[in-house]
Amino acid sequence: GESVGLHLPTLSVQEGDNSIINCAYSNSASDYFIWYKQESGKGPQFIIDIRSNMDKRQGQRVTVLLNKTVKHLSLQIAATQPGDSAVYFCAEKIPNDYKLSFGAGTTVTVRA
Amino acid sequence: GAGVSQTPSNKVTEKGKYVELRCDPISGHTALYWYRQSLGQGPEFLIYFQGTGAADDSGLPNDRFFAVRPEGSVSTLKIQRTERGDSAVYLCASSLVASASTDTQYFGPGTRLTVL
Repeated sequence: GESVGLHLPTLSVQEGDNSIINCAYSNSASDYFIWYKQESGKGPQFIIDIRSNMDKRQGQRVTVLLNKTVKHLSLQIAATQPGDSAVYFCAEKIPNDYKLSFGAGTTVTVRA
Repeated sequence: GAGVSQTPSNKVTEKGKYVELRCDPISGHTALYWYRQSLGQGPEFLIYFQGTGAADDSGLPNDRFFAVRPEGSVSTLKIQRTERGDSAVYLCASSLVASASTDTQYFGPGTRLTVL
């Protein structure tokens, strides 16, 4: 399953399928990007990050892709599991600043 | 090891009252951040501490909000004369050294504040 654009905040995916969550970030000066996962009633949990001098980074079952030309970030989750159901946020940071700016989030629901 | 902890987990108060929200960062982390998250939204930055000093408080919405970190570890977010619009989840995060580029921020579970 795949979410597209900023205005489709939900994604329903079959267990075992791959998920793609998209994020259009706002500031072309941003040089650091992070994906967080937030389960109901919990704080955001770090998943993976990427610097602006990279266009791809892989973790365990997750891959982040960065396209600076169109200011687009995506998170790919391989073999989605029920425990992946959560809200996923992308966040960006500009140089010489410390605060993160978060997107609106995408709710991922995994169907058994 | 232990993550970021926040107390209380839930706080219900009446309009006009004063509240304090506490954050215990990860041991050894020098940087501490407060964010506010409204329902259905991403977290929004409030204030950042490097050690004991507030290095950036540009996100505090008005002078009813204040935060301290007197010994460079635990931080308290204080809200005076609470308003219904202050209702939100208040998140605390900490990071190791707060370098300006890639220091990972780890979040606590948040305090859900409800102002009646």
